[in-house]
Amino acid sequence: SSELTQDPAVSVALGQTVRITCQGDSLRSYYASWYQQKPGQAPVLVIYGKNNRPSGIPDRFSGSSSGNTASLTITGAQAEDEADYYCNSRDSSGNHLDVFGGGTKLTVL
Amino acid sequence: QVQLQESGPGLVKPSQTLSLTCTVSGGSISSGSYYWSWIRQPAGKGLEWIGRIYTSGSTNYNPSLKSRVTISVDTSKNQFSLKLSSVTAADTAVYYCARRVAATSAFDIWGQGTMVTVSS
Repeated sequence: SSELTQDPAVSVALGQTVRITCQGDSLRSYYASWYQQKPGQAPVLVIYGKNNRPSGIPDRFSGSSSGNTASLTITGAQAEDEADYYCNSRDSSGNHLDVFGGGTKLTVL
Repeated sequence: QVQLQESGPGLVKPSQTLSLTCTVSGGSISSGSYYWSWIRQPAGKGLEWIGRIYTSGSTNYNPSLKSRVTISVDTSKNQFSLKLSSVTAADTAVYYCARRVAATSAFDIWGQGTMVTVSS
């Protein structure tokens, strides 16, 4: 079982806003990173740190955090945003090991 | 720009050792503050962190795999490697190598992944 918990599936109407969440004790101390994975492709980093986007990631992607929950928000979801999304952070053991959430399948309707 | 490429056998027999190599191109594996990492993904399932090696050579492993995993680096070849011993069908997965930035803890660059099947 993962130390980071994500909803298995979320849906959003085209052009609307969707929030994907990630819960875990370690998120009280560390930021989450977020990855987008489309079928047959490697994951792509979309958000890291407090709310940073790598070059080339659209500004409709944003991140936030409160307590033990990190969130990825897509404002104005596009058809091409349909994908699996994974959060990642350090574990809660104090050894700073990496851990991934179970992933959220985003469907754009 | 830095790119990663995994290589190794696509089929491994049960109880044997899985060996993969990740070749880093477009930059030196020794420069910067990075953790060179391995991550795997069974078909239809989520990502599982396997372990990492720092530029200095220090390693960290997933506790659930620690007894079977070794990650090493060959700076002369600009490569790092994964060895997973005593494999079973449960180790069948796509294996990714990735670069983790020390300052942000984010995996900013990924290889394309390589499928490894454990079967006799």
